[in-house]
Amino acid sequence: NAGVMQNPRHLVRRRGQEARLRCSPMKGHSHVYWYRQLPEEGLKFMVYLQKENIIDESGMPKERFSAEFPKEGPSILRIQQVVRGDSAAYFCASSQDASGNEQFFGPGTRLTVL
Amino acid sequence: GQQVMQIPQYQHVQEGEDFTTYCNSSTTLSNIQWYKQRPGGHPVFLIQLVKSGEVKKQKRLTFQFGEAKKNSSLHITATQTTDVGTYFCAGDRGSTLGRLYFGRGTQLTVWP
Repeated sequence: NAGVMQNPRHLVRRRGQEARLRCSPMKGHSHVYWYRQLPEEGLKFMVYLQKENIIDESGMPKERFSAEFPKEGPSILRIQQVVRGDSAAYFCASSQDASGNEQFFGPGTRLTVL
Repeated sequence: GQQVMQIPQYQHVQEGEDFTTYCNSSTTLSNIQWYKQRPGGHPVFLIQLVKSGEVKKQKRLTFQFGEAKKNSSLHITATQTTDVGTYFCAGDRGSTLGRLYFGRGTQLTVWP
């Protein structure tokens, strides 16, 4: 039973380019969460999605960032026109149900913006 | 603002010493979860506490949930070098939204 998959594991972009981060949840999980983590810091919640719906995007910047979780395929976190401050580790987690269930984290995508 | 506060941010101990990290929420929680992240790794679920005053043990780890369900602690007895990592608490406010509120984490270093 494969865990949460994220790709790519490492992504290098130049300022102004687009970054696309993918997350495939665990089998049977329909709830996906995206977090950002800066070095030596905690996990900052970005967005919570259920299949085809954004449930809570209160942690996501209003501009340049978007997320989706289509009916088929992985969840995508998209960052347009990246800036150096976007450099961070981005973790995706999934859970079977909503409230009260443990979250299973993927290995993360380390984004570096040159 | 910060929903879940966690202290200390860093803790350095000699191998064999005990370690405790504390978590406080500004609101009552329906449950609290603890995660461990090894250096360079991703967070891994350790345990969930649901009941008021609940205490759970996992070998040398003891987890407590306060009576008011607003605070929690993780205590490690006789630390080992394998305990190195960052320990996060995450509170569930029980709303239908389902998101967890993570503390900032306590980074534990264990000297041999």
